[in-house]
Amino acid sequence: QLQLQESGPGLVMSSETLSLTCTVSGVSISGDNFFWGWIRQPPGRGLEWIGSTYQKGDVKYNPSLRRRVTISVDTSKNQLSLKLFSVTAADTAVYYCAREPAGDSGGFLDSWGQGVLVTVSS
Amino acid sequence: DIQMTQFPSTLSASVGDRVTITCRASETINGWLAWYQQKPGKAPKLLIEKVSTLDSGVPSRFSGSGSETEFTLTISSLQPEDSAIYFCQQYKHYSSLTFGGGTKVEI
Repeated sequence: QLQLQESGPGLVMSSETLSLTCTVSGVSISGDNFFWGWIRQPPGRGLEWIGSTYQKGDVKYNPSLRRRVTISVDTSKNQLSLKLFSVTAADTAVYYCAREPAGDSGGFLDSWGQGVLVTVSS
Repeated sequence: DIQMTQFPSTLSASVGDRVTITCRASETINGWLAWYQQKPGKAPKLLIEKVSTLDSGVPSRFSGSGSETEFTLTISSLQPEDSAIYFCQQYKHYSSLTFGGGTKVEI
């Protein structure tokens, strides 16, 4: 059974780097059929897609965050990682990892982790 | 980016009511639309992909329809467990996924 579990510091200082890990169990992250991505949700607000990566190196980012974000995959650990640089209070959010079917009909998010709240403090 | 607008932002209804939520895209999205349900403190859950295809295990009282730029999520007979926030998401632009602002359904 597929499970995604986010982990990382719940508090990050302003101007520093937010680093999160998503551990995937129940399926290999190196398979051909899925992207693996990150979505965030500021408290009480809507969802914002951050970006997704495909194990063969294809990575796509939200244009509004592209300059500050890196998403990568560690296939040996079956993990997905997120780095968001130069954070501000506006980056305070619940961060989710999720699976996205690849291919012509993909693009929706069919499995999600439980999310982790990251607060940016000055 | 394709902008997704949902309305209403909140709706109140009674058990057994038929409920409709609308999602409008800023340009045609060729049916690449999904709906999610999010309960308090939980991750969103996929309900529908490709406008009208229910994900596995989703009750048949949920349905989706629409085309081009306007889409609807309908709950045919509202149940207490349907109290949640519902989001639409477009995936026409594979490299830029965007969500609607959400509709809170209160019972």
